Amino acid sequence: DVVMTQTPPSLSVAIGQSVSISCKSSQSLVYSDGKTYLHWLLQSSGRSPKRLIYQVSNLDSGVPDRFSGTGSQKDFTLKISRVEAKDLGVYYCAQTTHFPPTFGGGTKLELK
Amino acid sequence: QVQLKESGPGLVKPSETLSLTCTVSGFSLTSYHVSWVRQPPGKGLEWMGVIWGDGSTAYNSALKSRLSISRDTSKSQVFLKMSSLKTEDTATYYCAREGYWGQGTLVTVSS
Repeated sequence: DVVMTQTPPSLSVAIGQSVSISCKSSQSLVYSDGKTYLHWLLQSSGRSPKRLIYQVSNLDSGVPDRFSGTGSQKDFTLKISRVEAKDLGVYYCAQTTHFPPTFGGGTKLELK
Repeated sequence: QVQLKESGPGLVKPSETLSLTCTVSGFSLTSYHVSWVRQPPGKGLEWMGVIWGDGSTAYNSALKSRLSISRDTSKSQVFLKMSSLKTEDTATYYCAREGYWGQGTLVTVSS
């Protein structure tokens, strides 16, 4: 299985700051169709996960452009600019390029 | 709009079989695949298995011997059955379609 390694495991941030979360995969996530199926999810406290970004850099509907995703092959980054209180929770990267789909261990974003 | 909702027993005894239902709306099960994902309390996400639009299935190899996923397209429902439950199967179980997740249902395995 593809191992997804997220760092850091936790982040303390002040409202208005910017943060970045790293996700590295044990194999390239480029599929045979040329696309990269790396996604980012946010799980707010007590809620189900919500997808924010799909295929590295595409924002889901309603996701503010303070969120951005970059990366390629095995190395990916989620950046959140001007963090707001509603951004707090656990962020997961996930890959669906290879079977089975796998998730990173999560990065908990909390207030400083 | 797209919605998924899990239902099932909140408490199951060890060695028994878990049965969960995912009722979907806003899309057709013949056009989209639905996965099951679980999350033990305080831990991360584990993909369990999928039923594709054509009705075929695929499972996490770690659970394959105990897991079965099926559906009733006329009722827009997807079913999960997992046998020989252990205490470590205690988790919130989610069904998910690409880009959408259900609210989850907590299943506790305890005698």
